[in-house]
Amino acid sequence: NAGVMQNPRHLVRRRGQEARLRCSPMKGHSHVYWYRQLPEEGLKFMVYLQKENIIDESGMPKERFSAEFPKEGPSILRIQQVVRGDSAAYFCASSQDRFNSPLHFGNGTRLTVT
Amino acid sequence: GQSLEQPSEVTAVEGAIVQINCTYQTSGFYGLSWYQQHDGGAPTFLSYNALDGLEETGRFSSFLSRSDSYGYLLLQELQMKDSASYFCAVRDQTSNYQLIWGAGTKLIIKP
Repeated sequence: NAGVMQNPRHLVRRRGQEARLRCSPMKGHSHVYWYRQLPEEGLKFMVYLQKENIIDESGMPKERFSAEFPKEGPSILRIQQVVRGDSAAYFCASSQDRFNSPLHFGNGTRLTVT
Repeated sequence: GQSLEQPSEVTAVEGAIVQINCTYQTSGFYGLSWYQQHDGGAPTFLSYNALDGLEETGRFSSFLSRSDSYGYLLLQELQMKDSASYFCAVRDQTSNYQLIWGAGTKLIIKP
């Protein structure tokens, strides 16, 4: 039973390019969350999606960032025109429901913007 | 507003017991969770308390007092592999049941 799969593990982009991060939730999980983490800091919530719907995007910058979770395929976090400040670890998590179930995290994507 | 407070760093000796405290302020408390994260790794779920009292899972226990808006994670028989960051997180009914995260406690274990 595969866990949450994120790819790529490491991503290097030049300023101005687009970064596309993928996340396949655990089997049977329809709730997906994206978090951002800087070194030595906690997790910052970005967006919560439930199959084809964005439930809460209050933590995601309104410009350059977007997320989707299509009916088929992985959830995608897209960062357009990346800047150095976007360099961070981006974690995806999934859960079975939105109330009590624990979050299962992927191994993250380390984005470096040069 | 919503906030969680936990110590930034705790140091303990191998074989000892350590307690990591977490106080929270939320408008719609629904449960307190604890996660462990090793350097460079993914957070992993440790425990969840929805009701007052102690939940025990092996060497780890978690406690909740809703009247005090307080909880703690207790780690016994510390091992070097327990060196990690520990995050408390509160699920909030008024925020789409989102997890509100603390900043994390770095646990340093000395031989």
